[in-house]
Amino acid sequence: AQKVTQAQTEISVVEKEDVTLDCVYETRDTTYYLFWYKQPPSGELVFLIRRNSFDEQNEISGRYSWNFQKSTSSFNFTITASQVVDSAVYFCALRRNNAGNMLTFGGGTRLMVKP
Amino acid sequence: GAGVSQSPSNKVTEKGKDVELRCDPISGHTALYWYRQSLGQGLEFLIYFQGNSAPDKSGLPSDRFSAERTGGSVSTLTIQRTQQEDSAVYLCASSQDQNTGELFFGEGSRLTVL
Repeated sequence: AQKVTQAQTEISVVEKEDVTLDCVYETRDTTYYLFWYKQPPSGELVFLIRRNSFDEQNEISGRYSWNFQKSTSSFNFTITASQVVDSAVYFCALRRNNAGNMLTFGGGTRLMVKP
Repeated sequence: GAGVSQSPSNKVTEKGKDVELRCDPISGHTALYWYRQSLGQGLEFLIYFQGNSAPDKSGLPSDRFSAERTGGSVSTLTIQRTQQEDSAVYLCASSQDQNTGELFFGEGSRLTVL
């Protein structure tokens, strides 16, 4: 069975602070994919990143960075110098290989960035 | 519009009534998904359509739930004899490539069953 756990249900930071959103996953597959999606107040989920299980290189995209640690089954997401516009619910998700795009989502972390 | 369109955006119904939720995917996207997001919960997979293949219905919670996709485009999710626990936001997503994991989501249909 697959499972994604986002232990932080809600995080509140002040603008310009760095914040890390945790994601821990469980799978018996050797090949799998991990994702982060952002859900702003409008409700529409927006794709942020995909990472496959063979690529443990960390990735940076502007103020966003992702740390994939296979040894601890974690795929954490860090926002540097947070901004009010980063306020949203962030979902981590897992997909099995050859499973189409059926994703198993975590419960989400609500991030509130205060000015 | 260019994105995934869902209607209605809000639906309030009485327990026992049937409801239909509609999803218009991005043109050219062959895959379509329905997810359910209950208050404070993550997204729960419901059903997946890929091209002309038989849909994967493994996530439907009961036989009161059904979905169809006509002409490989618009999809309708039907909930019969609604119950209060069906209250949730129903999200539709589509994708062009079934393997990238990049789903394009609509804004959802919020269903409230009184």
